[in-house]
Amino acid sequence: GDSVTQTEGPVTLSEGTSLTVNCSYETKQYPTLFWYVQYPGEGPQLLFKVPKANEKGSNRGFEATYNKEATSFHLQKASVQESDSAVYYCALSKGSNTNKVVFGTGTRLQVLP
Amino acid sequence: GPKVLQIPSHQIIDMGQMVTLNCDPVSNHLYFYWYKQILGQQMEFLVNFYNGKVMEKSKLFKDQFSVERPDGSYFTLKIQPTALEDSAVYFCASSLAGGRQDTQYFGPGTRLLVL
Repeated sequence: GDSVTQTEGPVTLSEGTSLTVNCSYETKQYPTLFWYVQYPGEGPQLLFKVPKANEKGSNRGFEATYNKEATSFHLQKASVQESDSAVYYCALSKGSNTNKVVFGTGTRLQVLP
Repeated sequence: GPKVLQIPSHQIIDMGQMVTLNCDPVSNHLYFYWYKQILGQQMEFLVNFYNGKVMEKSKLFKDQFSVERPDGSYFTLKIQPTALEDSAVYFCASSLAGGRQDTQYFGPGTRLLVL
């Protein structure tokens, strides 16, 4: 079946350092890949999505490239801020008439001032 | 951005009772979803609903679960009767269309505790 595997947290960084959260996926079909972010007490909100292989998505300094050959979609940010502290979910959707989203387990990021 | 609301935010209920979780989706959206997240585990798809019908459901969507959206009101998830293993956070989501590129917008979740 479809699955998403990502870096296990928690990840603790100091402000200004770089972030990489690994994500790999498994599916027989051609998915759209997503990164969602979830703040305490809220639902997941879309950070960005990439529907096409070899393209890059980005938002708020975060970026990830859809690597179809390696089946990876690693999240990176050059310099994290305290306000980036949240849980990050890698996810995929294959669409058709159901559009079910398959989530990874989430990676909790804590950024220290 | 678009907001999905969920009512209540927390619910405590005795095992065997019925519970209804309410979702107010984004106003022009046509596809509605429920996901379940047990503490410490990943969020898992339960069901997708469109045009008054269940389009797909997972094995987690037991016979005790039902969904409906009567006349454009709340999209609801009903559990009758509840079991201990139903304790989880339930997230509602909605999307404008059902393609793989279409973004789902999530509510803040309802935290259900079954005693």
